[in-house]
Amino acid sequence: GAGVSQSPSNKVTEKGKDVELRCDPISGHTALYWYRQSLGQGLEFLIYFQGNSAPDKSGLPSDRFSAERTGGSVSTLTIQRTQQEDSAVYLCASSLSPDLSGNTIYFGEGSWLTVV
Amino acid sequence: DAKTTQPPSMDCAEGRAANLPCNHSTISGNEYVYWYRQIHSQGPQYIIHGLKNNETNEMASLIITEDRKSSTLILPHATLRDTAVYYCIVRPFTGANSKLTFGKGITLSVRP
Repeated sequence: GAGVSQSPSNKVTEKGKDVELRCDPISGHTALYWYRQSLGQGLEFLIYFQGNSAPDKSGLPSDRFSAERTGGSVSTLTIQRTQQEDSAVYLCASSLSPDLSGNTIYFGEGSWLTVV
Repeated sequence: DAKTTQPPSMDCAEGRAANLPCNHSTISGNEYVYWYRQIHSQGPQYIIHGLKNNETNEMASLIITEDRKSSTLILPHATLRDTAVYYCIVRPFTGANSKLTFGKGITLSVRP
């Protein structure tokens, strides 16, 4: 597709349930990022994938959060046993290889998660 | 932590130029200056980036001081649709540590 695609665009889930959020990066982009933005807050880095390298998971807030990237393309962010504080918009972004000077990161429109 | 400092907010009149300042006094020689904006309820939108020369594209101009310690994003003819939070970010231009670290940004309000 032309841009970063995320699904679902909106998700309401009950506390304690697991959720999966999907990201389709721009074709050819080897780097993929997940961010989180709680209501009225800034963007918080979660995890970064680049090619076949081990992901940078330094931003994941707890072990309830995990992400994978299959085949170097599509990524899934999974939140287990959701809590109300997980309510936020989850943003995915992608770019060409960071080894390319001055490459640009492009964002999707986000998946809005509400935990009730 | 974000390596940039921006005023929390500013406004300008529709049709006038909006000049958004950013301080990045600790910028390293291998770091670019990037600008993004986020319109309410949307994902961040890339605007422009530069290393040391001034840059211009269809959206904006970026003026970087000679010492690279500060920059200004210029929207030449602001419209109501330019009301958004604008983020100034410094980022290494290559390598694994290339994720964007967002600060609080500056809220630009364009008034009719």
